[in-house]
Amino acid sequence: KQEVTQIPAALSVPEGENLVLNCSFTDSAIYNLQWFRQDPGKGLTSLLLIQSSQREQTSGRLNASLDKSSGRSTLYIAASQPGDSATYLCAVPLLLNQAGTALIFGKGTTLSVSS
Amino acid sequence: GAVVSQHPSWVICKSGTSVKIECRSLDFQATTMFWYRQFPKQSLMLMATSNEGSKATYEQGVEKDKFLINHASLTLSTLTVTSAHPEDSSFYICSATPPSGSVSRVTQYFGPGTRLLVL
Repeated sequence: KQEVTQIPAALSVPEGENLVLNCSFTDSAIYNLQWFRQDPGKGLTSLLLIQSSQREQTSGRLNASLDKSSGRSTLYIAASQPGDSATYLCAVPLLLNQAGTALIFGKGTTLSVSS
Repeated sequence: GAVVSQHPSWVICKSGTSVKIECRSLDFQATTMFWYRQFPKQSLMLMATSNEGSKATYEQGVEKDKFLINHASLTLSTLTVTSAHPEDSSFYICSATPPSGSVSRVTQYFGPGTRLLVL
């Protein structure tokens, strides 16, 4: 059974720092991996999606990497800002090697960036 | 981009009442929608898969008679929490998958969520 783990559970940094969020999954036969952002009491915002054939994806100050063989993904946030404060969730498809299935989520990393 | 809406965004009800939550895909047809539940400081957990024109598939531990799912059209799925109790208080989020071949950047689109508080 696929399990997704995220560490750390919480992270507090001063503005301007670069930081790395970690995600691990137990079964490497994933179709893709996705990073989401969730603001308190809100829904999900998709940040980056990495296909199984890719090693990384970049969007602005965000860079996500994927190492299927080791079952790991990292989300790198450069020059953090207070507006980055949120919970970041990592998710993989429930059904291995399939797109469009439900997702299995990690518990998330709650980031707080102070000004 | 594709949009999924949920209604209501907030609901407070008395214990024992039933609550209906709607999930709509606004600009695409979704043959499959998913319902998730999120308790405070926990991650999203899949409750059920809603299939248009057929019965929903429930995850282990989710009571199908308590959480009624109806996917009557390609753009609407409803989740009804029957005889709600305080332990059903949670954040309910739906997602919808665009038809095969039309997916661009994401595999599915999430609604904004519905917060349910049962008193």
